[in-house]
Amino acid sequence: DIQMTQSPSSLSASVGDRVTITCRASQSISDYLNWYQQRPGKVPKLLIYAASSLQSGVPSRFSGSGSGTDFTLTISSLQPEDFATYYCQQTYSALWTFGQGTKVEIK
Amino acid sequence: QVQLQESGPGLVKPSQTLSLTCTVSGGSINSSDYYWSWIRQPPGKDLEWIGYIYYSGSTYYNPSLKSRVTISVDTSKNQFSLKLSSVTAADTAVYSCARVGDTVINYMDVWGKGTTVTVSS
Repeated sequence: DIQMTQSPSSLSASVGDRVTITCRASQSISDYLNWYQQRPGKVPKLLIYAASSLQSGVPSRFSGSGSGTDFTLTISSLQPEDFATYYCQQTYSALWTFGQGTKVEIK
Repeated sequence: QVQLQESGPGLVKPSQTLSLTCTVSGGSINSSDYYWSWIRQPPGKDLEWIGYIYYSGSTYYNPSLKSRVTISVDTSKNQFSLKLSSVTAADTAVYSCARVGDTVINYMDVWGKGTTVTVSS
C-alpha cells in the first residue's frame, strides 16, 4: 500500500494568514494526488485534483503543487469558512489511500 | 447538476450484512465517463476508500475489505449499491457514495451527504 503522510496534523492560524499543508507519499505517485476539504459534520469536498488543478467553483486562494512524493496545498489568505480538515488522496495505485488529515483551527 | 443520495438502515447487528444504496439524480449512471465509489469514515478516524463500480458492472475493491464487499449497479434505477457482510463494531462509520469524475486521474468530485451506520446488537 502507498502510505500518505500529512504534516502538520493540526495548525492554528488567523484570518488572512497564508497556510501550507504538506503531503508525502511513501513512493512516487507522479501527479495522482487530490486534495479535499471536510467541514465538521460534512462529507469531503474536492478542492484540487491531479496535484495542481483547481476544481471548478473552488476559490483561487487554494492552490496545489508537487509531483513524485512531495505535495503541498496552500491557502493564500485564510478565510473564516476555510477552518476545516484537509485530506490528501493518492490514486496512483489500484488501492486509493488518504492521508490522516490536517485540521486547520482558529488562532 | 448531479446529486447523490445514500439510503439504508442506520443500525445493523453484528455478523449481519450492511446494505446501502446510492441514488444518482440529475445525470445518468450509464456513462463511460465515470466510476461510482463508496468511502467510509469511522468516528474520529481517517477516510477509507471501499471500492468502485463502472456502469458496465466491472468493480475494484479495497483488498482489506474485498472478501466482504460487493458493489453492484442498477442502471434502470440509476442506482448503485454496497453490501458489506459479517459486520462488526469496527464497521461503524459514516458511509458516503461519490462520483469519480475522471477514470484516469480518479478524483471524487460529487459526494452524497453520507449516512451513519452503527453496528450494534
